[in-house]
This record gives sequence, structure tokens and C-alpha cells, in this order.
Amino acid sequence: QKEVEQDPGPLSVPEGAIVSLNCTYSNSAFQYFMWYRQYSRKGPELLMYTYSSGNKEDGRFTAQVDKSSKYISLFIRDSQPSDSATYLCAMKKDSWGKLQFGAGTQVVVTP
Amino acid sequence: DTEVTQTPKHLVMGMTNKKSLKCEQHMGHRAMYWYKQKAKKPPELMFVYSYEKLSINESVPSRFSPECPNSSLLNLHLHALQPEDSALYLCASSQVGEAKNIQYFGAGTRLSVL
Repeated sequence: QKEVEQDPGPLSVPEGAIVSLNCTYSNSAFQYFMWYRQYSRKGPELLMYTYSSGNKEDGRFTAQVDKSSKYISLFIRDSQPSDSATYLCAMKKDSWGKLQFGAGTQVVVTP
Repeated sequence: DTEVTQTPKHLVMGMTNKKSLKCEQHMGHRAMYWYKQKAKKPPELMFVYSYEKLSINESVPSRFSPECPNSSLLNLHLHALQPEDSALYLCASSQVGEAKNIQYFGAGTRLSVL
């Protein structure tokens, strides 16, 4: 079993809809949670960073962490075609640990 | 300015060639990383440098040789690669300590081995 599970998609939504992405993990030691966006043939770009449980909002993006369920989510409101990309969840146990990535979910926002 | 610059953007090399990938950051980060990413897969960690010293080598074959000449530069020397080494090679950097969790990635070098 992988430490971090993420549905690879693709997830297709119409423009203006809410995009809902999630990852589950098996290791309760993970404390630091990140979401990266990666456009085709580009490097990953950090979108959201959360320590421990809770919600974090930044513009159209909301990240949620539920450590009791070992489940993290990313919501994108008012989705745009420019949001079409692969979204990678990533997490770490501590400052010196390795960054564990999910498989990445491909999102397609259609005009 | 959260920028990590990688050169070249694209590289085609034969199996007998020697080439180098370069990575540069001017954010004052003291940790730098090399990742390999195959199509439709997440990045896989190869090497970590912390304060210009190699701290993690994820059992990478010796045909990949990293070098960190100073706190801003990271190189990856390539020699006698195989076609299966064709991939996107990503460099990342971060602070050390608690802030080490936030890694900033470059755009990558797309490598094709013929």
C-alpha cells in the first residue's frame, strides 16, 4: 500500500464549477501538508501549505486537513480553464523527512 | 522572488555522452534537491544537499553525479546514461529547519537519451 493515495483522474469540470481534490494517507506521523500545481512540461508550483489539522484559504483555493481521518482536500472555487493542470498533494513527517507525493490528479476545466 | 532557474530546458544526449544540468537560486536557501519525474508520475527524490553537503542519496546509480559548488548552485553531471533515464529532471530549494518543508521547484530540464 502506498503511503499517500490520490486518484489520478482525469477530473473534468465546466468553467465556474468547484473543483474538489483529495488525498488519503496511511502514516499518522505526517504533519506538514502541501498542494502543488503542475502545468504540462513545467515544474510543480506550491499552492497551499498547512501544518497539522485545520482549514486554510487563499483566494479561490481552500485546503483542509483532517488528521483523524488521514484525509486532505483542496477546493478550487469559480474554476477557470487556466486551472487545467495536474494537482499533486505532498506531505512530510518532520522538517528533515522526505516529501511524499501523491500520484497527482489531472484536472480539465472546460469553457 | 521565489525562483529556481534550471538550464538547459531541453537536452538530447547519446548513451556515451557526458553532459551537465545546472540549477541556480538566489533566495538564500541552504537546502537544494534533485528530483526525477517520468510522465504522469510524481517527482522522485534523487539527492539532497544541505549547507552544500550531500545529505541524502536515494540509491541513485553512479552515472548521475551531483555537485554543489556553492550555496546558490547545484549541478547534476550525467555520464553513460540509458534510454530509461529519459525524464524531466527537477531542481528544488528550501530553507533549512522548520521552513525546510516548503520546497520551490524549477521548471525542469527535459532529458532525452538516445
